[in-house]
Amino acid sequence: QVQLQESGPGLVKPSETLSLTCAVSGYSITSGYYWGWIRQPPGKGLEWIGSIYHSGSTYYNPSLKSRVTISVDTSKNQFSLKLSSVTAADTAVYYCARRDRNWGSLDSWGQGTLVTVSS
Amino acid sequence: EIVLTQSPGTLSLSPGERATLSCRASQSVSSSYLAWYQQKPGQAPRLLIYGASNRATGIPDRFSGSGSGTDFTLTISRLEPEDFAVYYCQQYSSSLTFGGGTKVEIK
Repeated sequence: QVQLQESGPGLVKPSETLSLTCAVSGYSITSGYYWGWIRQPPGKGLEWIGSIYHSGSTYYNPSLKSRVTISVDTSKNQFSLKLSSVTAADTAVYYCARRDRNWGSLDSWGQGTLVTVSS
Repeated sequence: EIVLTQSPGTLSLSPGERATLSCRASQSVSSSYLAWYQQKPGQAPRLLIYGASNRATGIPDRFSGSGSGTDFTLTISRLEPEDFAVYYCQQYSSSLTFGGGTKVEIK
């Protein structure tokens, strides 16, 4: 049973870089799925941020691409998100998830972590 | 970018009733790449349907998905108390986008 767990600071200052890590357990990150990040501002809908394959190939939301970096550490079975130059609009619950290569659906999710951008 | 529009925004129904949720795409979506999720307050979304009509592991058969092209539907045949939640559609035909959600509330 795959499990995903997000970790990282819950408070980030405006203009700084948001950094989160997703630890994957119960499944090897090299076994054929994509791994991604999704966010949800309080009271609003879901927004895909981007995905990565264990080879390092990345796919980003065009609207966030200039500020996003997703990386993978296969030795630790985890992947990470960096979002630069954050503003209050980046305040959200951030989820990591596993994406099926064939269907594009997100079949396993972490519990989510709230990141607030505030000085 | 493919925009997904979900309707209605809110659906007020009673337990035992049938729920029909719509997801309309701004351009054609491959049926292979259309999914539905359920989200309850304080929880992560849960995959219900993938490939437009395939139920995910452990999903009861009262949930069904259908549609093709630009029009897709999620049907809950008889609402159970635990089905009252927000539902999202998602496509991966071009980049990855979500619809705005439909809230199914108790009437």
